[in-house]
Amino acid sequence: AQSVTQPDIHITVSEGASLELRCNYSYGATPYLFWYVQSPGQGLQLLLKYFSGDTLVQGIKGFEAEFKRSQSSFNLRKPSVHWSDAAEYFCAVGPFTNAGKSTFGDGTTLTVKP
Amino acid sequence: DGGITQSPKYLFRKEGQNVTLSCEQNLNHDAMYWYRQDPGQGLRLIYYSQIVNDFQKGDIAEGYSVSREKKESFPLTVTSAQKNPTAFYLCARSKNGGNSGNTIYFGEGSWLTVV
Repeated sequence: AQSVTQPDIHITVSEGASLELRCNYSYGATPYLFWYVQSPGQGLQLLLKYFSGDTLVQGIKGFEAEFKRSQSSFNLRKPSVHWSDAAEYFCAVGPFTNAGKSTFGDGTTLTVKP
Repeated sequence: DGGITQSPKYLFRKEGQNVTLSCEQNLNHDAMYWYRQDPGQGLRLIYYSQIVNDFQKGDIAEGYSVSREKKESFPLTVTSAQKNPTAFYLCARSKNGGNSGNTIYFGEGSWLTVV
């Protein structure tokens, strides 16, 4: 069965510090992996995606993620966090039309301290 | 935005009423989706449609209904059978459906509150 786990419900980092958000997936084939960000009361915005090829993926807003097949992970990173990065982050595994299977993680809330 | 418009942003429903949330996309994409989000939780798939005049149940379809009469429109009706409808509803689109790595793009969401 297809599933995604985000082990950290809430993370707090200081502005300017580095960030890593964890994502583990379970999928029988080569996964399609995504990271989305959601500000309060808004929709989800795509940060980056991995389909194949280079395992280090660059996204918008200075984010990157690395696909590690051996660890079934797709962790999101940013070298220096800005206060505007405070939001909720969701990892997802596609395809999205496998009804009955969990395709989004439960999210990680990021708080940024001044 | 993500090429997809949801309305209204806020909606209040009385007990026993049906309400309909609108979702329109202008990118000629084949697939559209409805998700429900509860506070502190991830997204759960309600319904999805890969082509016009066809749609499939997701994880939590009970108490909801949809239609796909036009490619650009995928309205969601929350019926009185849905016992706990208060939530944030997200519509999404992708170029096509099926078992491929299509990226989905979300609208801005609609808040539904039962009063």
